[in-house]
Amino acid sequence: EAQVTQNPRYLITVTGKKLTVTCSQNMNHEYMSWYRQDPGLGLRQIYYSMNVEVTDKGDVPEGYKVSRKEKRNFPLILESPSPNQTSLYFCASTLTSGSGGELFFGEGSRLTVL
Amino acid sequence: GDSVTQMEGPVTLSEEAFLTINCTYTATGYPSLFWYVQYPGEGLQLLLKATKADDKGSNKGFEATYRKETTSFHLEKGSVQVSDSAVYFCALGTNAGKSTFGDGTTLTVKP
Repeated sequence: EAQVTQNPRYLITVTGKKLTVTCSQNMNHEYMSWYRQDPGLGLRQIYYSMNVEVTDKGDVPEGYKVSRKEKRNFPLILESPSPNQTSLYFCASTLTSGSGGELFFGEGSRLTVL
Repeated sequence: GDSVTQMEGPVTLSEEAFLTINCTYTATGYPSLFWYVQYPGEGLQLLLKATKADDKGSNKGFEATYRKETTSFHLEKGSVQVSDSAVYFCALGTNAGKSTFGDGTTLTVKP
């Protein structure tokens, strides 16, 4: 089954404790992206990657890091989480970065930073 | 920069009512336009899309037409069902790899 898988789905952590949210897709997609969803703010793009070893900042990259060492994986790293990073995070992928592509989303990771 | 403005919600309708959710956009170049739907506790999934001016996207009774002259992509459905209750997002995508989403509109359909 074609899918985007995120882990963990739920996480409560404390300020400053490094964490990684993993994202994996099995569709051989070149393009992957991370978003955060906050009430009243819709979805905002954090980082995206057009291919292996190619990443770029989205609209809200501060406090986050990403890497793309393999085509299927695109982890989101919070080196020193803060309470304002409490949010619902989505990973998405599409075949190429061409604008006609449908985004396939994971089920989301709800993060709470105390 | 690019932006998407959606009609503010929440929207509450009775079953079989007509639905319109307005969406306008600002973008350089020629973006593709999308409507995504998010059911409770789930990720977003594509509802419909249009890749060029005057294209009409349609799916599950929903429709939207890419209007370049009014920079709009309004979502419509002639007769909503309880199962259509969800959050709807208008979005645009560019060849540069960036996607921009609206704030989302929550639709509740009552029997």
